[in-house]
Amino acid sequence: QVQLQESGPGLVKPSETLSLTCTVSGASVTSGSYYWSWIRQPPGKGLEWIGYLYYSGSTNYNPSLKSRATISVDTSRNQLSLKLSSVTAADTAVYYCAREPNGLDVWGQGTTVTVSS
Amino acid sequence: EIVLTQSPGTLSLSPGERATLSCRASQSVSSNYLAWYQQKPGQAPRLLIYGASSRATGIPDRFSGSGSGTDFTLTISRLEPEDFAVYYCQQYGNLPWTFGQGTKVEIK
Repeated sequence: QVQLQESGPGLVKPSETLSLTCTVSGASVTSGSYYWSWIRQPPGKGLEWIGYLYYSGSTNYNPSLKSRATISVDTSRNQLSLKLSSVTAADTAVYYCAREPNGLDVWGQGTTVTVSS
Repeated sequence: EIVLTQSPGTLSLSPGERATLSCRASQSVSSNYLAWYQQKPGQAPRLLIYGASSRATGIPDRFSGSGSGTDFTLTISRLEPEDFAVYYCQQYGNLPWTFGQGTKVEIK
């Protein structure tokens, strides 16, 4: 059974870099032809796709983030990471990681990040 | 970018009734790569439908998806109490992947 668990600081200061980790169990992030995505949801609002890392290592990002997002993988720990630079209050959200084979079929429980001084 | 517009914004229905949710795309969704998700308060979204009409593992058959191109529909044949939630459509055929703004199905 595949499980995803997000973790990271719950509070980040404006202009700093948000760093989150997604620990994957029950599957390898480097096999299986999966896309591993980050998605976020501001309080009371809808879902926004941030980007994905393909099992081969290639990445793709939402242009709306203006190149602030970076997704990488630590194969030794079977973890994904998300870095989002120059954060503002608009980046306050619940951040999810999810797996995509055909639709996002496995999600983490999400981690809340608040951007505030 | 493909914009997905969901309607209605809110659907007020009683248990046992049929729910019909719409998702319209601003341009054709490649290969009908359209998914539907259910989200309850405080929970992550759950995949219901992928490829416009295929039910995900473990999803009851009262949930069905249809449509192609730019017009898609999620139908819940008979609402159960646990079905009252927010529903999102998502396209994953064209980059960037995008979500609709959601339809809330509430108890009348």
